[in-house]
Amino acid sequence: DSGVTQTPKHLITATGQRVTLRCSPRSGDLSVYWYQQSLDQGLQFLIQYYNGEERAKGNILERFSAQQFPDLHSELNLSSLELGDSALYFCASSGDPYRGPNQPQHFGDGTRLSIL
Amino acid sequence: AQKVTQAQTEISVVEKEDVTLDCVYETRDTTYYLFWYKQPPSGELVFLIRRNSFDEQNEISGRYSWNFQKSTSSFNFTITASQVVDSAVYFCALSDTGNQFYFGTGTSLTVIP
Repeated sequence: DSGVTQTPKHLITATGQRVTLRCSPRSGDLSVYWYQQSLDQGLQFLIQYYNGEERAKGNILERFSAQQFPDLHSELNLSSLELGDSALYFCASSGDPYRGPNQPQHFGDGTRLSIL
Repeated sequence: AQKVTQAQTEISVVEKEDVTLDCVYETRDTTYYLFWYKQPPSGELVFLIRRNSFDEQNEISGRYSWNFQKSTSSFNFTITASQVVDSAVYFCALSDTGNQFYFGTGTSLTVIP
């Protein structure tokens, strides 16, 4: 058990809809990362938050947004969903990765999103 | 531009053989971090190692070892005496000064009993 909780585990919805994926980081971890894994695009970094502030942005579409709340949980919002958004979305957490060597990232089990 | 190349798409070895997974990266940053992750058939992602660009010391953790060579921009991963449980997809990744992550396409390792 990594200590990172992602909900829901599976989500099936239709094109044009909006969904929210939730991530609770491991206790004590301040950083949250979101990744997308699809057959077409492989594993892609979407966005990172540290203690409520956006720290880095990767290949995140404008239709997607995220935030980290004061209790450090994070939500990834996906809107105007397209078939190509079907993927496995992972959340990971870590301490401040740039304070010391080998800060491990702890991954959740992922949310599998299927767009019909 | 940042790029990570894992040229080996699939590798099969017989149990107890040693296997090396190659990772070559491109970056113009002088400060960067390299990672390896494991994704077993069950689908979860497991962090294996993080190495910063100023630390070229090789690392060994049990049957796993990593060889970081800045001269060849490589960060290779060796599994010694492979086991069936090592069967997984392994991803190499680079994180730059902008804190972005760039992943390779992964190497699927099958260990045959």
